[in-house]
Amino acid sequence: SQQGEEDPQALSIQEGENATMNCSYKTSINNLQWYRQNSGRGLVHLILIRSNEREKHSGRLRVTLDTSKKSSSLLITASRAADTASYFCATDTGRRALTFGSGTRLQVQP
Amino acid sequence: DAGITQSPRHKVTETGTPVTLRCHQTENHRYMYWYRQDPGHGLRLIHYSYGVKDTDKGEVSDGYSVSRSKTEDFLLTLESATSSQTSVYFCAISATGSGSDKNIQYFGAGTRLSVL
Repeated sequence: SQQGEEDPQALSIQEGENATMNCSYKTSINNLQWYRQNSGRGLVHLILIRSNEREKHSGRLRVTLDTSKKSSSLLITASRAADTASYFCATDTGRRALTFGSGTRLQVQP
Repeated sequence: DAGITQSPRHKVTETGTPVTLRCHQTENHRYMYWYRQDPGHGLRLIHYSYGVKDTDKGEVSDGYSVSRSKTEDFLLTLESATSSQTSVYFCAISATGSGSDKNIQYFGAGTRLSVL
């Protein structure tokens, strides 16, 4: 089973609304990352949060991490049609490579 | 796509034939990875490399082999392709490995492989 599981699997919102995606994981981590994938393209790194951090911001992105609950959330504020993509969380456990979840498909309606 | 080139971008092959996918980077990063992406499974690690001639298996390595004879090239071979290997394959690179806060991965554009 996946180390990271995103929720919801799909999300449809209107432009200007906020989008929140959640990620749960199973084992202890060094850091957690969020990536974005546009249709037919490779993944692009968005933001990294360390295990000793609780919140991090980057532009319209806000990431929180709760290591006691083994969960993270990604908030995209004031969403735009260009934010339409799939979003993946990835955990770094210090072994091998990042472990990716199955992703949240975000559709932002203009 | 961050100095990463995957080739071919699309391939159709028949069951039982060998297939080699190539990943070429111009970033001189030490770590290289091969993932496959299937609906409902996200990305799953096939093999990775932590240096020239240094490779290790990922979670779905059966039926796949890799080679890295130069820093810039990482080859993925399907020894005898099966229909279950129909997927989109992504190569990724990173300057550092797991456990580092700089372990950010950069991805190629992917190779769409169909095994008939």
